[in-house]
Amino acid sequence: GAGVSQTPSNKVTEKGKYVELRCDPISGHTALYWYRQSLGQGPEFLIYFQGTGAADDSGLPNDRFFAVRPEGSVSTLKIQRTERGDSAVYLCASSSQGSGMNTEAFFGQGTRLTVV
Amino acid sequence: TQLLEQSPQFLSIQEGENLTVYCNSSSVFSSLQWYRQEPGEGPVLLVTVVTGGEVKKLKRLTFQFGDARKDSSLHITAAQPGDTGLYLCAGLNTGKLIFGQGTTLQVKP
Repeated sequence: GAGVSQTPSNKVTEKGKYVELRCDPISGHTALYWYRQSLGQGPEFLIYFQGTGAADDSGLPNDRFFAVRPEGSVSTLKIQRTERGDSAVYLCASSSQGSGMNTEAFFGQGTRLTVV
Repeated sequence: TQLLEQSPQFLSIQEGENLTVYCNSSSVFSSLQWYRQEPGEGPVLLVTVVTGGEVKKLKRLTFQFGDARKDSSLHITAAQPGDTGLYLCAGLNTGKLIFGQGTTLQVKP
């Protein structure tokens, strides 16, 4: 596709359940980022991949959160034992250069996760 | 921890007015970016500033990077209702983009 695609666009789940959020980056982009955003706030960094490996996962809030990118393209953010506080919009972004000074990150439209 | 603080957090003005949004940090960033986000969409890049003291103009928007590369400002001249949105500054360091908390701008016709 032409842009970053995230699925599903909306997800409602019950407290305690497991969820997976998918991100299809722009073809050829080596860097992929996951962010979490609350209404009216800036995106909060979660994890950054360069290729298949997690270059920086310092933003993952706890061990219930995990992300993979096995083939260096599609990434999945996995949340175990969801809590109501996990409710937010989860944004994915990709860029062609991971650490270049003029890196432009292209964002998907996000997945709105609601934990009830 | 590198933090970017934006001010003001919320701004409501009339069409035609000028405004400035500030982005400040205690840390030095290799570059600083400004994004604009509309409801239900992801942020979209407006500009990247790299050199201390750099000024970039994009139509009615003027971006400045501080000499010490710790702060930046966005000035909008003659704001229009179409400028309404969430404005985000983001600092790049070791490949990771760190965002400020955002400035919500509302321009009333």
